[in-house]
Amino acid sequence: TQLLEQSPQFLSIQEGENLTVYCNSSSVFSSLQWYRQEPGEGPVLLVTVVTGGEVKKLKRLTFQFGDARKDSSLHITAAQPGDTGLYLCALSSTSGTYKYIFGTGTRLKVLA
Amino acid sequence: GAVVSQHPSRVICKSGTSVKIECRSLDFQATTMFWYRQFPKQSLMLMATSNEGSKATYEQGVEKDKFLINHASLTLSTLTVTSAHPEDSSFYICSAPQGGLEPQHFGDGTRLSIL
Repeated sequence: TQLLEQSPQFLSIQEGENLTVYCNSSSVFSSLQWYRQEPGEGPVLLVTVVTGGEVKKLKRLTFQFGDARKDSSLHITAAQPGDTGLYLCALSSTSGTYKYIFGTGTRLKVLA
Repeated sequence: GAVVSQHPSRVICKSGTSVKIECRSLDFQATTMFWYRQFPKQSLMLMATSNEGSKATYEQGVEKDKFLINHASLTLSTLTVTSAHPEDSSFYICSAPQGGLEPQHFGDGTRLSIL
């Protein structure tokens, strides 16, 4: 069974600080998605990374895909209270069924 | 853009009641949809794959007779929690790939509370 471990599990920081969230897999994956979820809502896609070593930027968010395609990171610069939420990485099953396996999640709270 | 709609958004009912949750793809057809369950402060756990015109595929540990899935049309999948008990209280979310392409579109979830 493919597992996705995220760290840290919880993170509480002050507004303006930087942070990094990690997502690690027990095996290689072809692509990985990062989502953010707010309470009572479904996950919202932030980015998809496909190529080993790939770096994508979305405003203050920087996503990196490991060279070996077994890990990924999400870095937030100058965090804001609006960044508060549950961050989830997810990968597609390699069986071609398109089902997702979600990471264990990182709950971020940014204090004003 | 493509949207997946879930209904109802919240259900509160007594123990022993059966509850049906609908997942609709509003502007695209979905031969496959997925159902997830999320307990408080936890990640999403895949429950089953809903297949249009055929039986659902359940993940290990998910009771087929407890969580009935029907995918009778290309835009609608339903999840029925039969004889629900307090331990079934959770946030249920569906998703659907559009034309088989990633990423998937997620519904806004249904919060089920069994008293």
